[in-house]
Amino acid sequence: AQTVTQSQPEMSVQEAETVTLSCTYDTSESDYYLFWYKQPPSRQMILVIRQEAYKQQNATENRFSVNFQKAAKSFSLKISDSQLGDAAMYFCAYKDYGGATNKLIFGTGTLLAVQP
Amino acid sequence: GAGVSQSPRYKVAKRGQDVALRCDPISGHVSLFWYQQALGQGPEFLTYFQNEAQLDKSGLPSDRFFAERPEGSVSTLKIQRTQQEDSAVYLCASSLYGPGRAEKLFFGSGTQLSVL
Repeated sequence: AQTVTQSQPEMSVQEAETVTLSCTYDTSESDYYLFWYKQPPSRQMILVIRQEAYKQQNATENRFSVNFQKAAKSFSLKISDSQLGDAAMYFCAYKDYGGATNKLIFGTGTLLAVQP
Repeated sequence: GAGVSQSPRYKVAKRGQDVALRCDPISGHVSLFWYQQALGQGPEFLTYFQNEAQLDKSGLPSDRFFAERPEGSVSTLKIQRTQQEDSAVYLCASSLYGPGRAEKLFFGSGTQLSVL
């Protein structure tokens, strides 16, 4: 079964600095998708960025980028120029390519604090 | 509606009581998911609907959990004879298409269930 591991329960970053959140996963599939979701105190999960495993190029979305290492099964999130509004819980998630559902498998999350 | 709406936002139940949690997905969205998020954990998949068909219920923890989406829009998650271990946030999410895509999921703000 696929698993997602986030080994950093909490991280802290100074405003305007850069922080990297780690994620590793385990799967026997060759095609899949990876995601980072943000969950603020409102509890509403918001998609930050997604990566297709067949694409070698790392995904970027404005200040957010990923370092996708397929062989190492690693998918880290880099947040540049951190802002106070980035403070939230961040979840890494995995989805099989195809399949009967769009079921996501989530990690346990990393709580990010942003210091002014 | 503008987003995924869940009600109630908070629910306190006595052990043994039945509860019903409601999810209003974004109009026209084909896919609907229920996730359970225990305190300090990532969301865990419960069940998936494609329109009114429940295609995957592999995540439902016991036969006390039941979900329906009779007209392919609003969904209800029912928990019978609630137990303390059912205490969690129940998240609903919807997406425009059916399975097989890496499209964005839109999440509601969840229902926080506390069983006393």
